[in-house]
Amino acid sequence: GAVVSQHPSRVICKSGTSVKIECRSLDFQATTMFWYRQFPKQSLMLMATSNEGSKATYEQGVEKDKFLINHASLTLSTLTVTSAHPEDSSFYICSAVRPGRLPGTYGFAEAFFGQGTRLTVV
Amino acid sequence: DAKTTQPTSMDCAEGRAANLPCNHSTISGNEYVYWYRQIHSQGPQYIIHGLKNNETNEMASLIITEDRKSSTLILPHATLRDTAVYYCIVRVLRAGSYQLTFGKGTKLSVIP
Repeated sequence: GAVVSQHPSRVICKSGTSVKIECRSLDFQATTMFWYRQFPKQSLMLMATSNEGSKATYEQGVEKDKFLINHASLTLSTLTVTSAHPEDSSFYICSAVRPGRLPGTYGFAEAFFGQGTRLTVV
Repeated sequence: DAKTTQPTSMDCAEGRAANLPCNHSTISGNEYVYWYRQIHSQGPQYIIHGLKNNETNEMASLIITEDRKSSTLILPHATLRDTAVYYCIVRVLRAGSYQLTFGKGTKLSVIP
């Protein structure tokens, strides 16, 4: 099956520093990747859509200058949390869309998720 | 995308079938039913999807009612490793519209 690798799986950083999280699609090319955030006992919330070669699209309420997204290649998207604060502590998850075809539709796509990154800001 | 309603939690005895219901009464004709699950502290895992016919793969079966207003995910022989939160999502498949909207899902606990 399709594999999406996210790194690191766990990171602890000091308040005010920046943290970069990588998301790689290992066996397919993904023109679209998504970044989600999940607080304890809550569901995943979409933060932004990352498109290869263009600027990311952010969901309402997500600061684009704080959560920098770069999708420089068809297999790699990065999320940088800048000037991290304790309230940014969360579980960050990426997904990569594997395009394909389904009879009767166009643009069928299946999303595969990374294993997530647990960010703790102290 | 149409909204879904799932029970908050369910228990299932190990080795028995787990039947997870999902209501999607406002589903439109071009929306698919997707199921994902999330084991604790991991990313979601794709399970199965369907439009109107019942579907089966190596992980599960998906039963969609004839009016498509509800569906059931069936794990035929639940194991302890199936303990997870299961998300039912309905979505349109169209170019450029690939994001998933997660609800609260059903927390399935498989009991020894």
